[in-house]
Amino acid sequence: GQQLNQSPQSMFIQEGEDVSMNCTSSSIFNTWLWYKQDPGEGPVLLIALYKAGELTSNGRLTAQFGITRKDSFLNISASIPSDVGIYFCAGQERRGNEKLTFGTGTRLTIIP
Amino acid sequence: GAVVSQHPSWVICKSGTSVKIECRSLDFQATTMFWYRQFPKQSLMLMATSNEGSKATYEQGVEKDKFLINHASLTLSTLTVTSAHPEDSSFYICSARAGGTSGSYEQYFGPGTRLTVT
Repeated sequence: GQQLNQSPQSMFIQEGEDVSMNCTSSSIFNTWLWYKQDPGEGPVLLIALYKAGELTSNGRLTAQFGITRKDSFLNISASIPSDVGIYFCAGQERRGNEKLTFGTGTRLTIIP
Repeated sequence: GAVVSQHPSWVICKSGTSVKIECRSLDFQATTMFWYRQFPKQSLMLMATSNEGSKATYEQGVEKDKFLINHASLTLSTLTVTSAHPEDSSFYICSARAGGTSGSYEQYFGPGTRLTVT
């Protein structure tokens, strides 16, 4: 099935640093979602985006819906140890189609 | 609110046997449930979409006779892996969509079930 390309694939940062990751697609999505998955758990929704150009924040997290509708960005400011995990973007192609296409994931590791 | 549970959380079975995984929405009614499979260090891949009271819709490449899905009530969907083989070993995750505007984002994910086939 189709997947969204996420980059970077992995990140090694120090606590307190800011983090940026992005997700790109060859096709248009009408909804972009960002999830975090801890080992052995299901993904948890962080931010949902519904309009091209939309910028939404959730605490230290900020995500943007790209103008072209083919990309999205997630930023984490002032990282803390509990930010460790795998971050997935997901897209929904059109209203009325509930299927989610997931990105390839970005693994975030915080170096002590 | 919006809690989804899965049972069992992990299961080990012998090759050739069948395994049933349950997905329950605990505090809401789910008209639609989704089943995903996730191999180690990979992303979630949608296997099928399950609507209450009707047959599931399978993604291309997913064998419907091997992965039997039943959505008999608004709070329960089951995935049965029939004649399991070692290559079926994976992390199976369900999600449930609450009622509301079609195409809305409210999919809540279960904690996953780790299947190991020996």
